[in-house]
Amino acid sequence: AQRVTQPEKLLSVFKGAPVELKCNYSYSGSPELFWYVQYSRQRLQLLLRHISRESIKGFTADLNKGETSFHLKKPFAQEEDSAMYYCALSGRNTGFQKLVFGTGTRLLVSP
Amino acid sequence: DAGVTQSPTHLIKTRGQQVTLRCSPKSGHDTVSWYQQALGQGPQFIFQYYEEEERQRGNFPDRFSGHQFPNYSSELNVNALLLGDSALYLCASSKTSGRSYNEQFFGPGTRLTVL
Repeated sequence: AQRVTQPEKLLSVFKGAPVELKCNYSYSGSPELFWYVQYSRQRLQLLLRHISRESIKGFTADLNKGETSFHLKKPFAQEEDSAMYYCALSGRNTGFQKLVFGTGTRLLVSP
Repeated sequence: DAGVTQSPTHLIKTRGQQVTLRCSPKSGHDTVSWYQQALGQGPQFIFQYYEEEERQRGNFPDRFSGHQFPNYSSELNVNALLLGDSALYLCASSKTSGRSYNEQFFGPGTRLTVL
């Protein structure tokens, strides 16, 4: 079965500290992995996807097929990074347009 | 372009009633997906509509049904409401183009409370 696991419900860091939001997945084959973000009072939006291999707002994520992980990282957290972060996957097994989400991690960046 | 819009914003129903939620996709998009997000959970895929037909369905009972109109807007209907149907219902739209993932843009959601 396809599954996304985000083990941390809450991650609290100070401004300027490094951040790593963990995501592990279960999938037979080659999934597409995504990070979605929801800022306070805003709608869910795509932050980044693994195939684009780009850095968005200083965040990066590398797909590790051996460890079936897609952790989100940022070297220096900012207060405006405080939000709810969801890891998600799609692929041929799920149907490309169907997203399977994790339960989310709330990132709180304190001054 | 206002992006994906959903109505109503909030809704309160009682057990056993029926509800209809509405979604207008982003301009230029032809595919609409619906997700249920219970409190403290990630969104769960309900179903997806393309060319006015249900193309894919998640693990939801037949009480959940939908429709897509020629203008690509969509409705989600839930019959015989249960307390457990209380959730945020998200609509997402995308432009279908072959066998790869196309970014889904989410609406603000409809908060359904079943008493």
